[in-house]
Amino acid sequence: AQTVTQSQPEMSVQEAETVTLSCTYDTSESNYYLFWYKQPPSRQMILVIRQEAYKQQNATENRFSVNFQKAAKSFSLKISDSQLGDTAMYFCAFMKLSGYALNFGKGTSLLVTP
Amino acid sequence: GAGVSQSPSNKVTEKGKDVELRCDPISGHTALYWYRQSLGQGLEFLIYFQGNSAPDKSGLPSDRFSAERTGGSVSTLTIQRTQQEDSAVYLCASSTRGQPYGYTFGSGTRLTVV
Repeated sequence: AQTVTQSQPEMSVQEAETVTLSCTYDTSESNYYLFWYKQPPSRQMILVIRQEAYKQQNATENRFSVNFQKAAKSFSLKISDSQLGDTAMYFCAFMKLSGYALNFGKGTSLLVTP
Repeated sequence: GAGVSQSPSNKVTEKGKDVELRCDPISGHTALYWYRQSLGQGLEFLIYFQGNSAPDKSGLPSDRFSAERTGGSVSTLTIQRTQQEDSAVYLCASSTRGQPYGYTFGSGTRLTVV
């Protein structure tokens, strides 16, 4: 079974600053996907970024980037130039390469302040 | 449709009543998933439908929960004899067959059992 741990229940950052959200996971799989999802008050889960474990290069999407450390089973999300609209719950998730179900962490509530 | 549609958006029911939650996936998406998000928790996988294949019901928490998908499109999640611990947000997602990692989520149904 795969477990995903997010050790920061809440975080706060000022607008325009950089923040890093942590995620660790446990798996015996060698190939898999890792995700960060954003959940604003509208409740809809929105994909922020995806990383394939077989790729060494860290994924980047505009202001969002990850630090993927496969050996350490760590997958942190860095948000640069934080914006008020980034305020949301952020969930880290895992999927087996041959699978279809997502295993989620319990989330980190991020507040961006003016 | 353009996105995954779920109804109702909110539902309050009395303990012991049955409820039905509806999910209308993106047109052409053959895979459909239900997840449950209890307060302060990450998402928990409930059930997976893929085309005409037998569904993966391994995440359903008890025999009070059932789901069906008619015509490979709309899905209904039914909870019989609701209990207070069933209070949660129920999220539906869909994806194409070849890209299980390409989930699109709906905005969920918030179920409150009183």
